[in-house]
Amino acid sequence: EVQLVESGGGVVRPGGSLRLSCAASGFTFDDYGMAWVRQAPGKGLEWVSGTNWNGGRTGHADSVRGRFTISRDNAKNSLYLQMDSLRPEDTAFYHCARVIYSYGNPTTFDFWGQGTLVTVSS
Amino acid sequence: QSALTQPASVSGSPGQSITISCTGTSSDVGRYNFVSWYQQYPGKAPKVLIADVSKRPSGVTNRFSGSKSGNTASLAISGLQLEDEADYYCCSYGGGTSFVFGGGTRLTVL
Repeated sequence: EVQLVESGGGVVRPGGSLRLSCAASGFTFDDYGMAWVRQAPGKGLEWVSGTNWNGGRTGHADSVRGRFTISRDNAKNSLYLQMDSLRPEDTAFYHCARVIYSYGNPTTFDFWGQGTLVTVSS
Repeated sequence: QSALTQPASVSGSPGQSITISCTGTSSDVGRYNFVSWYQQYPGKAPKVLIADVSKRPSGVTNRFSGSKSGNTASLAISGLQLEDEADYYCCSYGGGTSFVFGGGTRLTVL
């Protein structure tokens, strides 16, 4: 059974940092791309960051570029999101998601974790 | 990239059919046949319903179907059931490793 379990959320002051982790199990981790998708309370989904199978190709949304960094450790079956210079508008549930590819492009999030809540407030 | 445009809400009666639209641009929905749809219940993680515009993953009922014309994708739900009451999101690949989501549609089954 595929499982994605996020951790590392919490309350942080504006300008602070957090590192989120996602522990994957039930599948061959390095066969898949991975991503972070966030959802502010009561709001819609927003793609944050993505990586290919080995971390050699990554991308970030304009809203977080230069502040957030996605990485992965295939030996530990883990995905990470380093979040620096946090802002109140970064407050959200952060989900990790498995990414499947079609024709060499990432196309679909086929499994999701339950998410970890990040609250940025003074 | 700007969010894809979805209606905020739709409603229907049990047994009826409804359609949810998702409008993007020539840089996302119009450019790639990589539109996916997700169902989300309150407090739960999203679940994929449709991949690559019209492909149903294993285990998803054939009451859900997807299509695309130009810059607009659509999710159709036939034979509405009370359990279909949820939020629905479209998503398009946007090039590189990027994606763009729609704002979400709340489906109410009356």
